[in-house]
Order: sequence, then structure tokens, then C-alpha cells
Amino acid sequence: AQSVTQLDSHVSVSEGTPVLLRCNYSSSYSPSLFWYVQHPNKGLQLLLKYTSAATLVKGINGFEAEFKKSETSFHLTKPSAHMSDAAEYFCVVSDSRTGGFKTIFGAGTRLFVKA
Amino acid sequence: DAGVIQSPRHEVTEMGQEVTLRCKPISGHNSLFWYRQTMMRGLELLIYFNNNVPIDDSGMPEDRFSAKMPNASFSTLKIQPSEPRDSAVYFCASSLGSGTGRYEQYFGPGTRLTVT
Repeated sequence: AQSVTQLDSHVSVSEGTPVLLRCNYSSSYSPSLFWYVQHPNKGLQLLLKYTSAATLVKGINGFEAEFKKSETSFHLTKPSAHMSDAAEYFCVVSDSRTGGFKTIFGAGTRLFVKA
Repeated sequence: DAGVIQSPRHEVTEMGQEVTLRCKPISGHNSLFWYRQTMMRGLELLIYFNNNVPIDDSGMPEDRFSAKMPNASFSTLKIQPSEPRDSAVYFCASSLGSGTGRYEQYFGPGTRLTVT
């Protein structure tokens, strides 16, 4: 069975400081993992994806995530937050065995960026 | 590519009326998903299709909801009759699908439905 847990419902950082959004997953098979971002009143946009290649994945807008199998984690980071990063972020796991149909979304982490 | 297209972007209707939401997936994508998003329940998967065939509709809340995908480029989500608790943002998403190893989903802008 698959599951995904986003450990923080809200994260607040100051502009220019690092961002860390935490995600733990559970999957019986080789998972595909994703991070999506949703700005207010917008659809979800793919930030980055892990599909069993390099464990450090770089995405758009300076975000990256590291797949750590031993810790079953896929945390999202960015060295320096920008005001435009304020949004909701979703960690997602897909079960590759079922062709990606079993897709589980985390509850989301809302990122606040203070000036 | 234009991305996933949804229409209408906003719909306001009265309780009891029929509502039809439309989605055009990205050309070449074989999987299509319908989601509902509310503040209370977050993002919920309603149904997904692969090669135009419904694979899992266990997320459809009740018989008032139905979804069809008559061809690879069009899908509808219908609510009949609508109720105020159906008010939400409905998203359509598509992906390349099974056999490709590409499971990331691309989302449309959503339809904001308000039932009064």
C-alpha cells in the first residue's frame, strides 16, 4: 500500500533564507515521486519528479529534492526563498507497478514567505 | 502544446440543475484524471481513465456524478442534480500513461463550481 505524509501543514520563511518542505512516503514497490506547486486560484504545476534515476532531482525555479530510500523521504529544498514561492506544495507518490494509476497526493504544505 | 483545457472556468448554478464540466487532455496523453478540491477535504481523485476506459471510479461521491470519455481528446464530468455541497474547484489532469514510464500528471486550470 502507498501513502505520503507531508510533515508540516504550514512553513514560514523570510525572503532570501532556505526552504525545506518535508515529505515521507510509503510504497511497496519502486515509487515515482513528484512535487507539485499550486499558486492561489491556479492549477497544480509539476515542480520536479523522481523516477529511479539520480537521487538528487533538480526542478524548476531553483527547487530540488533528494530521494532517500533508507529514510523513505523526498524533502523539497531551495537555497533562497523568493516572495513568488509563496504557494501550496504537494508531495505525490505513484506506484510504478500499476502504471502510475495509483497516485496518492499529500495533504499539502502552505509556504509563507515574509519580506 | 496548449496544455490541458477545461471549460467553463467558472460555473454558478442553482441547486437541482444539471452541470457539465469539460476537459481536453494534452494530445497524445492516454490517461485522464478528474479531481475535486475543497478547503475541507483537500484534493480528491474522483475517477481516472486509461485509453478512454474508466479504470477506477471509486472516488465518485454518489450516483449524481458521472464521467465519460467518448474519445481520446474529450471528457465530461456531469453532476445531476447539483447540490450546494458540490461547490468546489474541479480539476482535470492528463498523463502519458501506462507503458511509458511517464506518470507525471499535467493539470488544467480548473473549473470553479458554485451551487446556490
